[in-house]
Amino acid sequence: DSGVTQTPKHLITATGQRVTLRCSPRSGDLSVYWYQQSLDQGLQFLIQYYNGEERAKGNILERFSAQQFPDLHSELNLSSLELGDSALYFCASSIAGGIYNEQFFGPGTRLTVL
Amino acid sequence: AQSVAQPEDQVNVAEGNPLTVKCTYSVSGNPYLFWYVQYPNRGLQFLLKYITGDNLVKGSYGFEAEFNKSQTSFHLKKPSALVSDSALYFCAVRDPPAGANNLFFGTGTRLTVIP
Repeated sequence: DSGVTQTPKHLITATGQRVTLRCSPRSGDLSVYWYQQSLDQGLQFLIQYYNGEERAKGNILERFSAQQFPDLHSELNLSSLELGDSALYFCASSIAGGIYNEQFFGPGTRLTVL
Repeated sequence: AQSVAQPEDQVNVAEGNPLTVKCTYSVSGNPYLFWYVQYPNRGLQFLLKYITGDNLVKGSYGFEAEFNKSQTSFHLKKPSALVSDSALYFCAVRDPPAGANNLFFGTGTRLTVIP
């Protein structure tokens, strides 16, 4: 158990809908990362937050947004969902936002868009 | 641009034999390299990292990796494979001059250890 929690574990929704994925980092970790894992794209970085502020952005679509709250938990919002958004979404955390720190991954949220 | 290649989608090895999972990288500066393992229905677990120093890095569960700058490789190794090592292995890189602290992952190699 990495200490990173993600809810929900599974999410099934329809095209055009909006969902929110939640992540709680390990105790003491200030940085949160979101990744998307799909069969065709592999594991891709979406966005990073450090202590409430956006630190880095990857291949995140404009329909997706995220935030990190004062208690350091983070939410990833996915809107106008398409079939291709079906994937496993991972949250990871690290003690700081630096390049030397390994990231600890949560169990993921499996999103299915029908 | 940074990239990571895992040339083998699948590696099969007999239990008790040594295993190697290959990874090559391309970065603009000094690489920061990581190995992660993903068990079925689980998140990724950190195994080991190379930042600087000794080219042979030791990690969790008896795994080690050898950094080879001239061959731009960071192969994962274990002297004696266990059935429980069967999983999906990801190599990842950070490229500091590119600025971001996120990881760039390879496509993964599925390791199957045969009893």
